[in-house]
Order: sequence, then C-alpha cells, then structure tokens
Amino acid sequence: EDQVTQSPEALRLQEGESSSLNCSYTVSGLRGLFWYRQDPGKGPEFLFTLYSAGEEKEKERLKATLTKKESFLHITAPKPEDSATYLCAVQAGNTPLVFGKGTRLSVIA
Amino acid sequence: DTGVSQDPRHKITKRGQNVTFRCDPISEHNRLYWYRQTLGQGPEFLTYFQNEAQLEKSRLLSDRFSAERPKGSFSTLEIQRTEQGDSAMYLCASSLAPRTVTGELFFGEGSRLTVL
Repeated sequence: EDQVTQSPEALRLQEGESSSLNCSYTVSGLRGLFWYRQDPGKGPEFLFTLYSAGEEKEKERLKATLTKKESFLHITAPKPEDSATYLCAVQAGNTPLVFGKGTRLSVIA
Repeated sequence: DTGVSQDPRHKITKRGQNVTFRCDPISEHNRLYWYRQTLGQGPEFLTYFQNEAQLEKSRLLSDRFSAERPKGSFSTLEIQRTEQGDSAMYLCASSLAPRTVTGELFFGEGSRLTVL
C-alpha cells in the first residue's frame, strides 16, 4: 500500500529563518511526487511535480527536491504569507493521488 | 476565470438525513475527482470520473455514498443516512487528462459537512 509520511507535523519559524519540510514515501512504481499548499478553509493549490530522483523545482522562496525515498521542500527566508499547510502526494501508475497529512507552517513577523 | 466551484460551502444536517453536494469543474477539464478531508489529515480519495464514466471508487467508500457526473459536466455526491463520522470537508478537483499524470489537480474550496 502506498504511504506518505510528512514531518514535522507543525513548524513555527521567524520571518527570514530558512528551513525544510520532509516527505518520505513508500510506493511501487512512482510516477510522480507532488507538493500542494493549503490555506485554512480552502482547497489545496498545486505547487510542484517531481518525477525522478535528483530533480529540483523552484518557485519564489520554495524549492522542492526528490530522492528515491523522500522529498524536501526548502523554504528560504520565509515571509508571514508563506504560512499554510504544505501537503505532499504521490502517484503510482495511473492511480489517484495519495496525500500525506501535511505540515502546518507558521511564519512569525 | 471560473475555477472549480462547489455548492453548498457549508451544510449542517441531522444524523440519518440525506445530503447532496454539487461540483462544477473547469469547463474544458474531462476528469473530476472527489476527496474527503478531516481536521489534521490530508485529502482522502473517494472516486473519480473521466467524462461521464466513473472509473474508480475507493474501497473505503460506503454504499451510502453515490456520485454521478451526467453528460460529463457537473458532478453530484450524495450521502444517504448520514452518520456523525461523515462530518468532513468534501473536496472536488478537476484536471485535463492525459495531463493528469502531472498530478496537477485544480481543487474547489470544498463543502463542509457537519452531522449532528
């Protein structure tokens, strides 16, 4: 069974304090690993797709990387508006996405 | 730009009542997904359609749940004889296959169900 584990569950950062979120996964035949952002009371918003180990994607202060067993979402010099829950999901074959529980990020000014 | 819209946004019902949620996907999208999310959890897959065909249902989906997508446009999710454990956010998402392989789903804002 495909599994996605995210850590930490919650992270509190000062504005400008860089850090990383972790997503470890167990899946047969990974087709893609995806990062989403979710604000309170809203649906998830797509951020990145990673297909193979060694791949990296960047968007503003966010950078996602992928190894054979885990992915990291690096947040450089975060701002309060980066506060949200970050969800990781995997896809095997043509199956629907399997999501982790997410990491709740709070960035304090 | 009209994204994915869901209605109603909030529904409070008594145990045993039936409820129906509606989802209008992005117009050119042929795939439509239903997910359920409870507090502190990630979205959990329920079912999905390609055009009007329901291609997959989660093994966890009780037979009290039924979904339709007539004519491959909007979709409805009905829950019969609601239970308190059905309280959750019901999320609809759409995508354009085969680009779906990117996992880029466009989610609506969800329909929050509270069963008293």
